[in-house]
Amino acid sequence: QSALTQPPSASGSPGQSVTISCTGTSSDIGGYNLVSWYQQHPGKVPRVIIYEVTKRPSGVPDRFSGSKSGNTASLTVSGLQAEDEADYYCSSYGGTNNFAIFGAGTKLTVL
Amino acid sequence: QITLKESGPALVKPTQTLTLTCTFSGFSLTTSGVGVGWIRQPPGKALEWLAFINWNADERYSPSLKSRLAITKDTSKNQVVLTMTNVDPADTATYYCAHRPQGGSSFQDWGQGTLVTVSS
Repeated sequence: QSALTQPPSASGSPGQSVTISCTGTSSDIGGYNLVSWYQQHPGKVPRVIIYEVTKRPSGVPDRFSGSKSGNTASLTVSGLQAEDEADYYCSSYGGTNNFAIFGAGTKLTVL
Repeated sequence: QITLKESGPALVKPTQTLTLTCTFSGFSLTTSGVGVGWIRQPPGKALEWLAFINWNADERYSPSLKSRLAITKDTSKNQVVLTMTNVDPADTATYYCAHRPQGGSSFQDWGQGTLVTVSS
């Protein structure tokens, strides 16, 4: 079971946009539209901000958006705000024997 | 309102068996499509999915840990139990249980987590 590949860090200034990538294989990201993104502030519980590639749970600002192309999923945060500084994890369904695969996480810094 | 809470020992010795209980409210594990999973996070490290159980008792395990894990549910008590055998200091982590709702594909609701330290 290999973790999904994410950049360890990303950054942007307030108001800017930043995109975080998540690369898998045709057996996970590329094979299913079941990619989720989780946000985790230091010392806090993860919360889902994107599911099924592009959908946002109620209460998640529309500044957060998701997409997918081939074996790579992306999370875009537009209009960066200080409160967006957190760790972001992607996750994908990987088939019957690999229900959920997580990425190694990306630390987003708001400059 | 959906809540989940993990409980179990804070300290376990190497080679022992770890048993964690997730007690939840606000949903039923008898509802078609509903499931509960366990995810852990070593200090300063990434999330790692461990196990998942569906309303119909279908069980799924992380391939790398499958031989050491067992997940069960007690619908009468609204509980899901995770057992991990032969623990090692590398199993030191915060363990979370999380709810996958009916028709959902992600973990929408999480417990607060419980820190388990494996040390002699």
